[in-house]
Amino acid sequence: EVQLLESGGGLVQPGGSLRLSCAASGFTFSNYAMTWVRQAPGKGLGWVSTIGRSGTDTFYADSVKGRFTISRDNSKNTLYLQMNSLRAEDTAIYYCAKALGIVGPATSRWFDPWGQGTLVIVSS
Amino acid sequence: EFVLTQSPVTLSLSPGERATLSCRASQSINNYVAWYQQKPGQAPRLLIYDASNRATGIPARFSGSGSGTDFTLTISSLEPEDFAVYYCQQRSDWPLTFGGGTKVEIK
Repeated sequence: EVQLLESGGGLVQPGGSLRLSCAASGFTFSNYAMTWVRQAPGKGLGWVSTIGRSGTDTFYADSVKGRFTISRDNSKNTLYLQMNSLRAEDTAIYYCAKALGIVGPATSRWFDPWGQGTLVIVSS
Repeated sequence: EFVLTQSPVTLSLSPGERATLSCRASQSINNYVAWYQQKPGQAPRLLIYDASNRATGIPARFSGSGSGTDFTLTISSLEPEDFAVYYCQQRSDWPLTFGGGTKVEIK
């Protein structure tokens, strides 16, 4: 069974940093692109970042570009999101999600399954 | 950026009724749309990808259609567990984007 377990969320002051982790199990982690999606309280879903299988290819939403860094450690089956210069508008539940399949954009940009999420609150 | 507009925002229906949800793209995105279901306190779940392909384990009462700019998610006969929020998402180009969601509530 595929499992994704996020951790690292919490309360941080504006301008601060956090590193989120997503521990994956139940599949060959290195075969799949991985993605972070966030959801502000009571709001809809927002794509944050995607990383390719090897970690070479990374993509970011404009709202986080230059502040957030996605990375992965395939030897540890773990996905990361380093978040710097945090703002109040970054407050959200952050979900990690596995790509549906391994065949290029046709399946790597659909998300299945998702973890349960970790809550990040940016507030003074 | 491809903007996805979902309608209606809220759909009030009774169990057993048919639900029709719409997702409209600001430009053609071929058939590169997925639909997700999210229940309160839970993570989203993939229902449909590439406009009409059901994900693994998704009941046949869920179907998707459309291409270009107009897409539809249909639930043929609502079960009690189907009352939730539904989001569409496009993969045509970066940035990946979601629609604002449609809440299907019990009438």
